[in-house]
Amino acid sequence: DGGITQSPKYLFRKEGQNVTLSCEQNLNHDAMYWYRQDPGQGLRLIYYSQIVNDFQKGDIAEGYSVSREKKESFPLTVTSAQKNPTAFYLCASSIAGFITDTQYFGPGTRLTVL
Amino acid sequence: AQTVTQSQPEMSVQEAETVTLSCTYDTSENNYYLFWYKQPPSRQMILVIRQEAYKQQNATENRFSVNFQKAAKSFSLKISDSQLGDTAMYFCASSSSGNTPLVFGKGTRLSVIA
Repeated sequence: DGGITQSPKYLFRKEGQNVTLSCEQNLNHDAMYWYRQDPGQGLRLIYYSQIVNDFQKGDIAEGYSVSREKKESFPLTVTSAQKNPTAFYLCASSIAGFITDTQYFGPGTRLTVL
Repeated sequence: AQTVTQSQPEMSVQEAETVTLSCTYDTSENNYYLFWYKQPPSRQMILVIRQEAYKQQNATENRFSVNFQKAAKSFSLKISDSQLGDTAMYFCASSSSGNTPLVFGKGTRLSVIA
């Protein structure tokens, strides 16, 4: 069954700690994305990657970091520099990152800072 | 920069009735694509329908159709024969060749009432 998996579903973090959110896809897609969703804010782009070993900042990249060492994996690290990290995080992928491509989403991770 | 505006934060509709969700967008690009995504209570984002800007014919997918008015930069979603399972957040989104691959509106929460 092809799709996108995100883990964990719920994540709790103490202030000052870094935490990494996992995103894996077996759709053979080249492009992957990370979004943050806050109530009443819609989805905002954090980072995206169109090819292995390359990625670009989105609108709200400060306090986040990513890596893309494998085509199927695009982990997101929320660092202690992110001032308000409590949010719902969605990972997506698309065939090649062109504007014609539909993005497909994972089930999301809810991060709560205690 | 692209912007997408959804002016209706919440809407409700009786089961079996028709409802229209509004979306306006702004882009300086000539080539772009428009999408409607659904996010049910499970929070999994699901593509509902997409429209290529160069196509004059409005896209349809079963009970879902769009009214694409290019000159007015309007892209509304019509849901016919509403079902309880249509209860969800609906997001309008636009993709073009700018810095952000996909820009989302803030969403409309639709409740279908039995």
